Amino acid sequence: GQSLEQPSEVTAVEGAIVQINCTYQTSGFYGLSWYQQHDGGAPTFLSYNALDGLEETGRFSSFLSRSDSYGYLLLQELQMKDSASYFCAVSSYNFNKFYFGSGTKLNVKP
Amino acid sequence: NAGVTQTPKFQVLKTGQSMTLQCAQDMNHEYMSWYRQDPGMGLRLIHYSVGAGITDQGEVPNGYNVSRSTTEDFPLRLLSAAPSQTSVYFCASSHPDSSYEQYFGPGTRLTVT
Repeated sequence: GQSLEQPSEVTAVEGAIVQINCTYQTSGFYGLSWYQQHDGGAPTFLSYNALDGLEETGRFSSFLSRSDSYGYLLLQELQMKDSASYFCAVSSYNFNKFYFGSGTKLNVKP
Repeated sequence: NAGVTQTPKFQVLKTGQSMTLQCAQDMNHEYMSWYRQDPGMGLRLIHYSVGAGITDQGEVPNGYNVSRSTTEDFPLRLLSAAPSQTSVYFCASSHPDSSYEQYFGPGTRLTVT
């Protein structure tokens, strides 16, 4: 089976840096994706790692260690609009079957 | 480009009723999926399709049927609604070359009483 673990909630102040961790257990792992979802909205894609290392996209970076079955999303220069839920997702052997974590609610305070 | 569209936005059903949730995309994506999201939870895959005429089951397929007769459309049918199917349903699509980047529709909020 598949399982993903994320912290349920994280709080940080505007301008700070926050890291959201994700550990996974899965068969046929292909890659780790990250999605953002504001309350009442649809998930939107943020980042993807297929190989070990860091991927940077503006203020957001994502890291993967396949040997540790671990990844994280790093958000820099936090803004109030970053308050949302963040989900990690793994893709399986056939690359279109995705399993999502339960999400981390990020609260950004002024 | 409208992206991924879903109808209806809201629906209330009585136990035992059937209905179809509609999903369409105009990005010529071959891959499409249906997810459900329960309060405070992540998304769980119901069914997915890698092209017209090809569908397969996800994590939680029981009580749902799908078909894919065109690239654009991927309807989800609830056969006999149950209160346990109260949820928000999201449809998503992606291109095979970047299937990790899924585009989600706005969701259908379904309540079964």
